[in-house]
Amino acid sequence: LAKTTQPISMDSYEGQEVNITCSHNNIATNDYITWYQQFPSQGPRFIIQGYKTKVTNEVASLFIPADRKSSTLSLPRVSLSDTAVYYCLVGDNRKLIWGLGTSLAVNP
Amino acid sequence: GAVVSQHPSWVICKSGTSVKIECRSLDFQATTMFWYRQFPKQSLMLMATSNEGSKATYEQGVEKDKFLINHASLTLSTLTVTSAHPEDSSFYICSAGWTSANNEQFFGPGTRLTVL
Repeated sequence: LAKTTQPISMDSYEGQEVNITCSHNNIATNDYITWYQQFPSQGPRFIIQGYKTKVTNEVASLFIPADRKSSTLSLPRVSLSDTAVYYCLVGDNRKLIWGLGTSLAVNP
Repeated sequence: GAVVSQHPSWVICKSGTSVKIECRSLDFQATTMFWYRQFPKQSLMLMATSNEGSKATYEQGVEKDKFLINHASLTLSTLTVTSAHPEDSSFYICSAGWTSANNEQFFGPGTRLTVL
């Protein structure tokens, strides 16, 4: 199972775009890249998933370079309610291994 | 997205008692359910994976006789913490999904267990 590395914490301000990068040098051919969001004392919430290139949905974009050794979650125009921990997971969704995630603080 | 519920949302019990936590997929049938534990300021730790109608697969270091998992139907899995002790106090989260590798897991809201 591929290990992921992401910043422990990030700070931003309301209305800014936030990019969180995750490194996964040992990603396997069959691995997907999935991002989850977690608020305190709540279960994680799925944000976005991708395999290669770019994926966009109503809340975020996921950029994956050709070598797939990293990925970047982009949150456009963050608000205070986006303050949470963001997890990057790589592998088979039948067994998810969680790192410490990135604690994002959005300031007014 | 699919909805997963957990009951209770929080529970306080005395040391030595057993506690049962229910996980339900409300609007879909989940072939696989997962149980996680999360201590404060830490990440989620997978405890076990259960498939409907079969025995759960426990992760290394998780005592199967202490954490009993039953997955009797495609919409319900239960986790029973037997003879709970203060060190079992944690946030327990379940998720449900399918057997396909690229399908996301849908997480429940979690259950806060406090053992006195």
